[in-house]
Amino acid sequence: EIVLTQSPGSLSLSPGERVTLSCRASQSVSSTYLAWYQQKPGQAPRLLIYGASSRPTGIPDRFSGSGSGTDFTLTIRRLEPEDFAVYYCQHYGSSQTFGQGTKVEIK
Amino acid sequence: EVQLVQSGTEVKKPEESLKISCTASGYNFNTYWIGWVRQMPGKGLEWMGIIYPGDSDTKYSPSFQGQVTISADKSITTAYLQWSSLKASDTAMYYCARQRGSGYSAFDSWGHGTLVTVSS
Repeated sequence: EIVLTQSPGSLSLSPGERVTLSCRASQSVSSTYLAWYQQKPGQAPRLLIYGASSRPTGIPDRFSGSGSGTDFTLTIRRLEPEDFAVYYCQHYGSSQTFGQGTKVEIK
Repeated sequence: EVQLVQSGTEVKKPEESLKISCTASGYNFNTYWIGWVRQMPGKGLEWMGIIYPGDSDTKYSPSFQGQVTISADKSITTAYLQWSSLKASDTAMYYCARQRGSGYSAFDSWGHGTLVTVSS
């Protein structure tokens, strides 16, 4: 079973800053099957990135994803006030799992 | 517009059974995997399993295999998550979500969640 480890567990940042979140897989996974989600308190998660680097319609281009093999990143180019949330990576191949999440807090 | 409407909040006692639902609309229910995700209070997302309503092919996380049953009724475009004997540790928010492609894909549409509380 693939385990996804996200780092850091949490971080405090100011609006306008750039942030890079990490997701490391316990074994190599196809980038085709790597997604990122955003979840705000009291809300369902929202898909931000699929296929490691593709954005669904409606997701702002300040969100970008990259990576391959075991190391993947989500970058938010300039944090907006609405971006403070918890971010999860997910592997969705024949076995599926989520990372434990990274909380991005306002400094 | 894709919509997933989940059944309402449940309060149950340990050892009781429960079946919660997720009714889909706005797309061909038969040709997209639909799954369930658990979120315990204050915790992260846990992938429970998925079902392909077209042929009822179902896949479970090892952590949830044998603990829950995922099913679907094509005639009413509804997916289900059921327990035969609840435990206090089943207390959580449960989300249904649709996978965006016909194969394994990310979850692009989510229900609002069903809160399940199990307490004596």
